[in-house]
Amino acid sequence: AQSVAQPEDQVNVAEGNPLTVKCTYSVSGNPYLFWYVQYPNRGLQFLLKYITGDNLVKGSYGFEAEFNKSQTSFHLKKPSALVSDSALYFCAVSNTGGFKTIFGAGTRLFVKA
Amino acid sequence: NAGVTQTPKFQVLKTGQSMTLQCAQDMNHNSMYWYRQDPGMGLRLIYYSASEGTTDKGEVPNGYNVSRLNKREFSLRLESAAPSQTSVYFCASSAGRGERSSYEQYFGPGTRLTVT
Repeated sequence: AQSVAQPEDQVNVAEGNPLTVKCTYSVSGNPYLFWYVQYPNRGLQFLLKYITGDNLVKGSYGFEAEFNKSQTSFHLKKPSALVSDSALYFCAVSNTGGFKTIFGAGTRLFVKA
Repeated sequence: NAGVTQTPKFQVLKTGQSMTLQCAQDMNHNSMYWYRQDPGMGLRLIYYSASEGTTDKGEVPNGYNVSRLNKREFSLRLESAAPSQTSVYFCASSAGRGERSSYEQYFGPGTRLTVT
């Protein structure tokens, strides 16, 4: 069975500092991995994905994520956080090309000015 | 280009009442999805439609039915609402498999449903 773990309910970081939001997954076969962001009272917005290819993927708003097959992780990173990055972040995994995608419980990111 | 639209935005039902949540997308996507979001539980897939004319159960289908009316529209019906169905419901779409296949999903703004 597929599963996704986001071990931190909340991450706090100062503006200008690097940020990392952690995600580990379990899936049979090749994983399709995604990060989404949700702002208050809005739907989720796609940030980036790993399907195949380079382990480091770049996405919207300066975010990137590194796929680590041996550690079954897909951590989200940004070199310099902005206050406007404060939001709820979801990691998601699928082994069926996007159908039956499993989402993590979410990590709330607070960036302090 | 409105993306994914959902109606209504808010709804309050009494236990046992029925209602249909509507969803439409204008991106010519093949696949559509219904999720519910509950605090601390992320999103859980209720039903999905991989392509027009097909629907399949997700993680939490009990108490719900869906209809893929055409390529654009995918509705979710609660036949007899229960307090446990109080949640925020999101519709999403993706291009799906094919020449332009891509797997990321695009979400609507959500429907906040309260069942008393």
